[in-house]
Amino acid sequence: DAKTTQPPSMDCAEGRAANLPCNHSTISGNEYVYWYRQIHSQGPQYIIHGLKNNETNEMASLIITEDRKSSTLILPHATLRDTAVYYCIVRVTGGGNKLTFGTGTQLKVEL
Amino acid sequence: GAVVSQHPSRVICKSGTSVKIECRSLDFQATTMFWYRQFPKQSLMLMATSNEGSKATYEQGVEKDKFLINHASLTLSTLTVTSAHPEDSSFYICSTTPPAGGPGGRNEQFFGPGTRLTVL
Repeated sequence: DAKTTQPPSMDCAEGRAANLPCNHSTISGNEYVYWYRQIHSQGPQYIIHGLKNNETNEMASLIITEDRKSSTLILPHATLRDTAVYYCIVRVTGGGNKLTFGTGTQLKVEL
Repeated sequence: GAVVSQHPSRVICKSGTSVKIECRSLDFQATTMFWYRQFPKQSLMLMATSNEGSKATYEQGVEKDKFLINHASLTLSTLTVTSAHPEDSSFYICSTTPPAGGPGGRNEQFFGPGTRLTVL
């Protein structure tokens, strides 16, 4: 699975949009971009995933660049409960379903 | 969403003892479960893939004789840390994926809440 690069930490004011970037310049054509988050001392939670089109669900939006070498996870109205480590993972679906976690981005949402 | 449970949530044991951690898939049958380990302020590291009815597949550097995995049913996988030592103290997390990729074919993994192991 392709390697990803994320900033180690970001801060965001409550109520504002949180934009979390991820670089995956070596992504292959059959690899998807997945985002998970891990709230402190809990198991990770799926957020969203996409191949090349932008995606939106009840939790977030995912913007993937046209060349697919980077993406941005957007939390439109961050709350204190969104404070967590966010992991961007690139993988093929069905590839044993193994997930390789990088270091992620620690998002801190503050008042 | 699907629920994966782990038991116990927290365990403290003496050095040299063995500890068993259970991972249960409550909403679907899981032919494959994954075991991860997470040290403080670090990311999750995959330890092994647990396959129902067959031997687990261990990642490089993970001692199969120390971390015994049993996946005897489609809803239960167990990880036993044998002869635990303080360096085995960590956060152990299991996960699984629903058959056929789950809702919408998302192939998302559902994670358990984790087990905090402290070896004295």
